[in-house]
Amino acid sequence: QVQLVESGGGVVQPGGSLRLSCAASGFTFNNYHMHWVRQAPGKGLEWVAFIRFDGTNEYYADSVKGRFTISRDNSRNTLFLQMNSLRPEDTAVYYCAKEQGSHNWFDPWGQGTLVTVST
Amino acid sequence: DIQMTQSPSSLSASVGDRVTITCRASQTISNYLSWYQQRPGKAPRLLIYAASGLESGVPSRFSGSGSGTDFTLTISSLQPEDFATYYCQQSYSLWTFGQGTKVEIK
Repeated sequence: QVQLVESGGGVVQPGGSLRLSCAASGFTFNNYHMHWVRQAPGKGLEWVAFIRFDGTNEYYADSVKGRFTISRDNSRNTLFLQMNSLRPEDTAVYYCAKEQGSHNWFDPWGQGTLVTVST
Repeated sequence: DIQMTQSPSSLSASVGDRVTITCRASQTISNYLSWYQQRPGKAPRLLIYAASGLESGVPSRFSGSGSGTDFTLTISSLQPEDFATYYCQQSYSLWTFGQGTKVEIK
């Protein structure tokens, strides 16, 4: 079955960096666009970043533009999110999600990985 | 940027009740609208795609409607496992989520 498994979360100091990974299985990874979405503690969902199936185009939310970089390794069926210059407001559970269908919905989602930015 | 506004932010309902959640887009999005359910501590789960398409495996008591700027998610007869938070999402221009609607037990 289709599965997405995130890893790489943890505690980091403000100004620090972290790299998240999302391992995909059960589908042809290099055929699908992928996304990162985050959820701050007790808050709603916020779309973070998109990458085209072949890695040739990316979009970012204004809140992370210039600090975060989405990438993928289709040979390893893995999605990444490089997060630099981290701020306390970046504290959240980060989910990867597969884009699906003619109207670009997200299905499925991974289980999430928690990033905490704190001194 | 397209803003998505859900109402209400929370509601209390009983098992068997009919529940309706609305989602309004700040500009027309055709039918580029999805609905997700999120239970506490879990990842979101797709319920409805393209405004009214029922995802495989989702019970038929869930339905979606609307086009343009106004959309609704309806649960025809609330079940215990439906107590959760529901989010709408537009995918017409980049991607934006509504703020969520928490459905609680009355």
